Amino acid sequence: AQSVSQHNHHVILSEAASLELGCNYSYGGTVNLFWYVQYPGQHLQLLLKYFSGDPLVKGIKGFEAEFIKSKFSFNLRKPSVQWSDTAEYFCAVNDGSNYQLIWGAGTKLIIKP
Amino acid sequence: DAGVTQSPTHLIKTRGQQVTLRCSPKSGHDTVSWYQQALGQGPQFIFQYYEEEERQRGNFPDRFSGHQFPNYSSELNVNALLLGDSALYLCASSLPSGVSSYNEQFFGPGTRLTVL
Repeated sequence: AQSVSQHNHHVILSEAASLELGCNYSYGGTVNLFWYVQYPGQHLQLLLKYFSGDPLVKGIKGFEAEFIKSKFSFNLRKPSVQWSDTAEYFCAVNDGSNYQLIWGAGTKLIIKP
Repeated sequence: DAGVTQSPTHLIKTRGQQVTLRCSPKSGHDTVSWYQQALGQGPQFIFQYYEEEERQRGNFPDRFSGHQFPNYSSELNVNALLLGDSALYLCASSLPSGVSSYNEQFFGPGTRLTVL
């Protein structure tokens, strides 16, 4: 069965620090990849997505992610975090053959002002 | 434009009871998916409805059933509730199939179900 692993359950950073959140998936074929974010008290919302093409994708609020097929990874990055980035971040994968999204367990990011 | 709405916000039930959760999709969306999110975990796919039929189902028992109405709104029903059914239940809607390879899902605020 497919699975998605997010390596860090909790991350604490200071403002202006660089961020990288890891995401690995188990499926070897064509994949559609997503990062969703949930800010405190708000709904899950899409941060960025990868379907095909340039493996470096840019999302909202200065976030980007790189798809590395050989490593089955889709890590999320931001060069300089802000206090407002405090949220929970979820990686999700669809294998292209069905309608199911498989989710990681999430990473809670806390930014210290 | 209203986004995805869910009702009720919170619900407390006892073991063995039945519950119905409701979801109205974002305007223009015809596909509704339901997820269960236990504390400290990511969402788990329950099923997806399209054209009033269950299009795909995740690894959930038959106690979990659903329905989609002609106006695309949807219900999730859970029978014979267990303590382990306590979770946040999320509804997500998406654009009509075929618009893109995989359509972005828009999420509602969820219904927090507590089973005592």
